[in-house]
Amino acid sequence: DQQVKQNSPSLSVQEGRISILNCDYTNSMFDYFLWYKKYPAEGPTFLISISSIKDKNEDGRFTVFLNKSAKHLSLHIVPSQPGDSAVYFCAASDHSGGSNYKLTFGKGTLLTVNP
Amino acid sequence: NAGVTQTPKFRILKIGQSMTLQCTQDMNHNYMYWYRQDPGMGLKLIYYSVGAGITDKGEVPNGYNVSRSTTEDFPLRLELAAPSQTSVYFCASRRGLAGVSEQFFGPGTRLTVL
Repeated sequence: DQQVKQNSPSLSVQEGRISILNCDYTNSMFDYFLWYKKYPAEGPTFLISISSIKDKNEDGRFTVFLNKSAKHLSLHIVPSQPGDSAVYFCAASDHSGGSNYKLTFGKGTLLTVNP
Repeated sequence: NAGVTQTPKFRILKIGQSMTLQCTQDMNHNYMYWYRQDPGMGLKLIYYSVGAGITDKGEVPNGYNVSRSTTEDFPLRLELAAPSQTSVYFCASRRGLAGVSEQFFGPGTRLTVL
């Protein structure tokens, strides 16, 4: 039973345009969400996060939007650059007592930014 | 400051062999985690530790063992390697700050069991 779903295995966009990566979750206890970026043969790198008390968090070209009622979040990259080509993982955490901040990951979306 | 380091980078095992995947972090993080990533899949939690001497099972612990004798080291042991354990293994660590979930990952160990 996948609690974090990334339904698009891949996404291709043109350099300079917007990239939108989507993520859905089913566990209502999740209250903290993260995006990780992963290049081949490297470990995942933290990109941006959002707490459930917010609906938007921005960091430079990266913005994460959270819609709690729909249990949906998205990552926007504007403008997209060829160096953004990587696999993007959505992850969720439950900060209630006893969870130990474990992360549940989606399967990832491969983003390709074409020059 | 090296962050999270893992050794070896690659390893090929025969069925039934044993090995230990090493993980070390130099950030004085209390929490450490082991994940595996199979092709086309997300990361699945194998074991985790909230501090030296304390470990607990994650989602897919069968076939693995861990120990945490120091804050820095969190080795993962495979006792009887099976082809199903062919995967890429990532170690991660996290600060003990409340309300912060961000984990820092090592570069991974690619393991093949033949």
